[in-house]
Amino acid sequence: GENVEQHPSTLSVQEGDSAVIKCTYSDSASNYFPWYKQELGKGPQLIIDIRSNVGEKKDQRIAVTLNKTAKHFSLHITETQPEDSAVYFCAASTQAGTALIFGKGTTLSVSS
Amino acid sequence: KAGVTQTPRYLIKTRGQQVTLSCSPISGHRSVSWYQQTPGQGLQFLFEYFSETQRNKGNFPGRFSGRQFSNSRSEMNVSTLELGDSALYLCASSLTSGAHNEQFFGPGTRLTVL
Repeated sequence: GENVEQHPSTLSVQEGDSAVIKCTYSDSASNYFPWYKQELGKGPQLIIDIRSNVGEKKDQRIAVTLNKTAKHFSLHITETQPEDSAVYFCAASTQAGTALIFGKGTTLSVSS
Repeated sequence: KAGVTQTPRYLIKTRGQQVTLSCSPISGHRSVSWYQQTPGQGLQFLFEYFSETQRNKGNFPGRFSGRQFSNSRSEMNVSTLELGDSALYLCASSLTSGAHNEQFFGPGTRLTVL
C-alpha cells in the first residue's frame, strides 16, 4: 500500500525566514496531495493541496511543488511568522482511494 | 458555515468499557471519515461512510465500528477498550466519497483509557 515519508520531523526558523518540508510517496497511482496544519488542541486544517496534473500551486505565502517522476512533493512557507508555528502534515491519495495516507508530521517553530 | 463538530471533546474510560463518539459533518457534506491520531503512529485511517454505507475500512480490529445516519451524522464505537486505544479520534467530512476530495477535520475527541 501507499507509504508517505515526511522530513524533517522538527524545523526551527527565525521569523521572516523560509521553511521547506518535504514528502515522498510510494504509490505511483497517487494523484492528490493535501497539506494540513494542526495547532495545539485543534484538528488538522487544510492549507493547500495539489493534484498530479499541476507542478506547482501558490497561495500567498505558501506554495506546494510536485515532482511525479521522483514521487516527491514539498511545502514552502515564505516570510514565516510566529503564528505559522504548528505541526504540518502531508498526505497522499489515489483517485480511487477512500483514505488519506499521512506523513508523520513536521513540528515547525518560528521564533521572533 | 459551521464546521465539523465532534462530541464529546474529552472522554475518560477504563479498560474493558465501550465508548461511542459522534461527528456532525459540514452541512451538505455526505462523506465522513474517521482517523486515529497517536504520537507513535500518527494519523491512521479507520473507516469512511458515505450514504449510510461503509466504503472502506483501515487496518483496525473489529472492536472499532461505525455507522452513518440519513442526515450524514456519524458515530464510531470502540468496544472492550484497551490502554492502546488512548488517542485523539478525528472525523473529517467531504462533499462526496473519495479521499481525493477536500476533507475538513473536526477538533477531535480525546479518549483516555485507564
